Formats: sequence, C-alpha cells, structure tokens
Amino acid sequence: KQEVTQIPAALSVPEGENLVLNCSFTDSAIYNLQWFRQDPGKGLTSLLLIQSSQREQTSGRLNASLDKSSGRSTLYIAASQPGDSATYLCAVRRLGGNKLVFGAGTILRVKS
Amino acid sequence: EAGVAQSPRYKIIEKRQSVAFWCNPISGHATLYWYQQILGQGPKLLIQFQNNGVVDDSQLPKDRFSAERLKGVDSTLKIQPAKLEDSAVYLCASSQLSRDRGEQYFGPGTRLTVT
Repeated sequence: KQEVTQIPAALSVPEGENLVLNCSFTDSAIYNLQWFRQDPGKGLTSLLLIQSSQREQTSGRLNASLDKSSGRSTLYIAASQPGDSATYLCAVRRLGGNKLVFGAGTILRVKS
Repeated sequence: EAGVAQSPRYKIIEKRQSVAFWCNPISGHATLYWYQQILGQGPKLLIQFQNNGVVDDSQLPKDRFSAERLKGVDSTLKIQPAKLEDSAVYLCASSQLSRDRGEQYFGPGTRLTVT
C-alpha cells in the first residue's frame, strides 16, 4: 500500500528566503508525482507534474525534483513571497492506475 | 476552458440527515473522481468513474455513501445518513487520459459540516 509523507508539517519563513519542502513515498512503482497548492477554502491547483522518467520540472520560482529509487521528491521555492502562503500537497500516481495518493501537506507561511 | 464546477460550496446538516453534492467536470473529460479531505489530512479517493462506469470504489463507505454519473458527464455524491466523522471537504476532479498525461483538475470543493 502506497504511503506518502510530507515533512515538515508546517513552516514559517521570512519573505525572500529560499525553501525546500519534502515528500517521500513507500512504493517506487509510480507513474508520476504531482505537487499541488491549496489555499484556504479553495480546491487544489496543480503546480508541477513530474513523470517517473523525469528528474525535475521547473515553473517560474518553483523547481520539483524526483528520485524514484529512493522514494523522494522535493519542491524548491526560490525567493519566497507572502503570496506563496498556502498548503502544499504532493501526490503520487501508481503505474497502471489513475488514483492519486496524497500526503498530508505542508502548511507554509511566508512573513512580510 | 471552464474548470470543474461543484455545488453547493458549503453545507451544514445534523447527523442522521442526508446530503447530496453535485459535480460538473471539464468538458470532454472521461474520468471523474470524488475525494474526501478531512481537516489536516490529504485528500482520499472515494470513487473513480470512467465514463458511466465505476473503476474504483474500494474506499467508499457503501453503507452510507453512494455516487452516480449519469450519461458520463455530471456526477452526484450522496451521504445518507450522515455521521459526525463525515465532516470534511469533498473534492471533485476530472481528467482526460489521452491528454495532459492524465493530469487531474480539481474543483473548489464542498465543505460539509455535520453537527
């Protein structure tokens, strides 16, 4: 059974700091991994999707890496801004299926 | 392109009452998902439809939860009777397997409070 763990559970940083969010998963037989952002009272917004054959994806100030063999992914946020404050969730999709298994998320607060 | 639509956005009911949620996926998306997100946890898949058919409902509490997707488009999720532990956000998502690598797009969710 796939289990996804995110560390830390919460993070508070001053504006402008670079930060890293961690995600680990127990079963390396994945099709892809996604990072989502969730604002209070809102749905999920997809940030980055990494296929199992890829090592990383970048979008603006965000960079996500994937090490499938070790069951780890990181989301790097450069030059953080107060608008980045949200909950960040990672989810993995297993080979041969569509189901996403989510971690519990990291609550990020960027202080101005 | 319009996103996934859900209604209502908020619902408060008493335990043992029934409730229904509605979802309209992105046009042309064959696959539809219902997730339950309890406060402080990640979303958990309840049921997945491929067109009209159920693909995975292994985590759906079938004694009280039911879902249908008529004509392969809109879907409703029903809870009857509700329990306190059903308080959560119910998220609907859709995907088109032939494009976007099966990426799922989520609606805004329905926040259910059971008192």
